[in-house]
Amino acid sequence: KAGVTQTPRYLIKTRGQQVTLSCSPISGHRSVSWYQQTPGQGLQFLFEYFSETQRNKGNFPGRFSGRQFSNSRSEMNVSTLELGDSALYLCASSFATGRNTEAFFGQGTRLTVV
Amino acid sequence: AQSVTQLDSQVPVFEEAPVELRCNYSSSVSVYLFWYVQYPNQGLQLLLKYLSGSTLVKGINGFEAEFNKSQTSFHLRKPSVHISDTAEYFCAFYSGGYQKVTFGIGTKLQVIP
Repeated sequence: KAGVTQTPRYLIKTRGQQVTLSCSPISGHRSVSWYQQTPGQGLQFLFEYFSETQRNKGNFPGRFSGRQFSNSRSEMNVSTLELGDSALYLCASSFATGRNTEAFFGQGTRLTVV
Repeated sequence: AQSVTQLDSQVPVFEEAPVELRCNYSSSVSVYLFWYVQYPNQGLQLLLKYLSGSTLVKGINGFEAEFNKSQTSFHLRKPSVHISDTAEYFCAFYSGGYQKVTFGIGTKLQVIP
């Protein structure tokens, strides 16, 4: 079966712009989580959506937002981009939350802000 | 506070030598533990997980990890590494109380031929 698909793979934006990243989870998975990965900070949790509801949120400013659609596809939006937003953004999907959860990761979207 | 500490940011090791990547966690509630591997320009892939039962967990690619509750550790080991094991390894835990996965900062394993 198809894995987690993130689009686009690479993106270059200028400061002040906004960007939308997309994540299509594995079929049947209802939970989608987003992470920001940078060399200095490692993997930082952004938020998690389950059945179109944001269930958990990390410690990021309000410029970072997301949503999930009825087909479980998720989008992440970053407004007023800053240079420090340059990172690899990873999406992970899972069938359900709880002890038997295994998160499957996409290949990520590498965002460069110039 | 919920946290994961990976004690080594980089670990160089010669090919066919054993390796141990260290991971300690801090949590006030029961957790489930994971190790993920990330190859260059790729997402993360699950290596192994501990949910309950035997504290020694075997995963893919010959890796294993041992859960030690008293030391709150979940160290990853491989008896003989290969060049293809060069990657970044992340320790993580899931806390049911918070319903989210917390990742460590990662350990870069460099296998030297």
